Amino acid sequence: EAQVTQNPRYLITVTGKKLTVTCSQNMNHEYMSWYRQDPGLGLRQIYYSMNVEVTDKGDVPEGYKVSRKEKRNFPLILESPSPNQTSLYFCASRSGGYSNQPQHFGDGTRLSIL
Amino acid sequence: AQSVAQPEDQVNVAEGNPLTVKCTYSVSGNPYLFWYVQYPNRGLQFLLKYITGDNLVKGSYGFEAEFNKSQTSFHLKKPSALVSDSALYFCAVRESGGGADGLTFGKGTHLIIQP
Repeated sequence: EAQVTQNPRYLITVTGKKLTVTCSQNMNHEYMSWYRQDPGLGLRQIYYSMNVEVTDKGDVPEGYKVSRKEKRNFPLILESPSPNQTSLYFCASRSGGYSNQPQHFGDGTRLSIL
Repeated sequence: AQSVAQPEDQVNVAEGNPLTVKCTYSVSGNPYLFWYVQYPNRGLQFLLKYITGDNLVKGSYGFEAEFNKSQTSFHLKKPSALVSDSALYFCAVRESGGGADGLTFGKGTHLIIQP
């Protein structure tokens, strides 16, 4: 089954404790992206990657890092999480080079930073 | 810059009645337009898209959307609502040829179908 898998689905942690949210897709997609969803703000893009070793900032990249060492994986790293990063996070992927293709989304990771 | 407006935070419809969820957009060039649906505790699921051609686009679960260039709108519609259509709906736009990504989402509209 074609899917985007995120882990963990839920995480409660404390300010300053580094965390990583993993994302993996099995569709051989070139393009991957991270979004955060906040009430009343919709989805905002954090980072995206057009292919292996190619990443770029989205609209709200501050406080986040990403890497793309393999085509299927695109982890999101919070080196020193803060309470304002409490949010619902989604990873997405699509075929690269065709911007009219829809994105496939994971089921989300709900982060609470205390 | 591109933007999407979903003017209604919530839309209430009786089961069996037609439904419309509104979306207007702004891009510099030609748009690619998408509708996604989000059910509780799930990611966004693709419903339909407009790229070019026929202004009426048909998608999953009986939904359709009408592209209106003069009004810069892309309203989502369904002739007969089901209780199971209750969810959060997002409209999104990307300018065709608009670089590496540039997908902008609206803030979402809660659709509530009452039995």
